[in-house]
Amino acid sequence: DIQMTQSPSTLSASVGDRVTITCRASQTISIWLAWYQLKPGKAPQLLIYKASSLESGVASRFSGSGSGTEFTLTISSLQPDDFATYYCQQYGSYPLTFGGGTKVEIK
Amino acid sequence: QVQLVESGGGLVQPGGSLRLSCATSGFTFSSGGMHWVRQAPGKGLEWVAFIRYDGTNIKYADSVKGRFTISRDSSKNTLFLQMNSLRGEDTAVYYCAKDPTLYCYYMDVWGKGTTVTVSS
Repeated sequence: DIQMTQSPSTLSASVGDRVTITCRASQTISIWLAWYQLKPGKAPQLLIYKASSLESGVASRFSGSGSGTEFTLTISSLQPDDFATYYCQQYGSYPLTFGGGTKVEIK
Repeated sequence: QVQLVESGGGLVQPGGSLRLSCATSGFTFSSGGMHWVRQAPGKGLEWVAFIRYDGTNIKYADSVKGRFTISRDSSKNTLFLQMNSLRGEDTAVYYCAKDPTLYCYYMDVWGKGTTVTVSS
């Protein structure tokens, strides 16, 4: 199975900050990576697919980049609604696997 | 508006069974694929199972293979997860999610989840 390693596991930031989350795959997955946002009690939301494609309806402050084994999710200017936990997920190889998550907290 | 609503969760003893349902609306259920994904308390997300629109291309995580069965009823636009021989480590919030492709790729719409607790 492909292992997905996210860093950091927790991130403290302020509204307006630029935030970057990293996801590393244990083997190459080309561009087959998605990013999700999770909030307690709410349905998870797809943010990015195919490493850098922004899902329809998602704010343009979210962006994704990378290929091969190293990927990043960037929030250009953190908004109050963005405090949540973020997960990467690879679909380059079966079984699908997720990173351990990054919790973005208020500083 | 695409909606996925899970139901069927609850408290069950180890070794018991539960059947989860996911009622869908707002999209063509008989296309694409559907997943079950779970999140144990304090843990990250774990993919559980996938089924293609025509009931083929069924895949399972090794942790549930042989114990869980995914199925769908296109006439009722509903996805199911039959869970047998339940263990404590199956305790989790279970989400159903829609895959926009015909393959086991990623999830573009999720439900809010239903909670399964396996305990004596």
